Amino acid sequence: SYVLTQPPSVSVAPGKTATITCGGNNIESKSVHWYQQKPGQAPVLVIYYDSDRPSGIPERFSGSNSGNTATLTISRVDAGDEAAYYCQVWESTSDHREVVFGGGTKLTVL
Amino acid sequence: QLHLHESGPGLVKPSETLSLICTVSGDSFSSNTYYWGWIRQPPGKGLEWIGSIFYSGGTDYNPSLTTRVTISVDTSKNQFSLKLTSVTAADTAMYYCARQACSGGTCYYFYWGQGTLVTVSS
Repeated sequence: SYVLTQPPSVSVAPGKTATITCGGNNIESKSVHWYQQKPGQAPVLVIYYDSDRPSGIPERFSGSNSGNTATLTISRVDAGDEAAYYCQVWESTSDHREVVFGGGTKLTVL
Repeated sequence: QLHLHESGPGLVKPSETLSLICTVSGDSFSSNTYYWGWIRQPPGKGLEWIGSIFYSGGTDYNPSLTTRVTISVDTSKNQFSLKLTSVTAADTAMYYCARQACSGGTCYYFYWGQGTLVTVSS
């Protein structure tokens, strides 16, 4: 199975930029999607197709994907961005298809 | 606005079968654009994909769960269901149902249910 690797935690001061990475073998060949999950809530899609934002997601959220690393960037971080973030890809081979999630990154706003 | 709602027992005994239903409202359930998926999250841990189903019945399952999982669909009731057999404490988790959008060679989840907590304990 395809493996996505995320750092367990990232800390950032308010007003600064947070960068959360998602590593995978030749991940640039796949579309990466990102979810935000706050405690006690269902995940919310914040970035899809590497860098597109669903309606209602602030422009402060952006994404990129190159080589073996996809990146979620949150600019001008505020306390409301404190959450767990998960990357996700779709893995399709000749004998199976599956959704793969990264292990998640807890973003702490200092 | 699409709405998904999970329902089922909150407590299941070890070795028994976990059964959940997801009821979909607010949009066509039989669209040929979407799949319908189950995702779970053990307490304090990350998201784990369980599997998904097309409205016509085609399924994909997590390879690590495939021997124990069955996902089925009832289009007349706008519902799809999850059965997980031979459960252990490791299956204790919040279980989410979600609509899986697939396009351009990829799939993602935009709409999620609020989740239902299932505890495996005697």
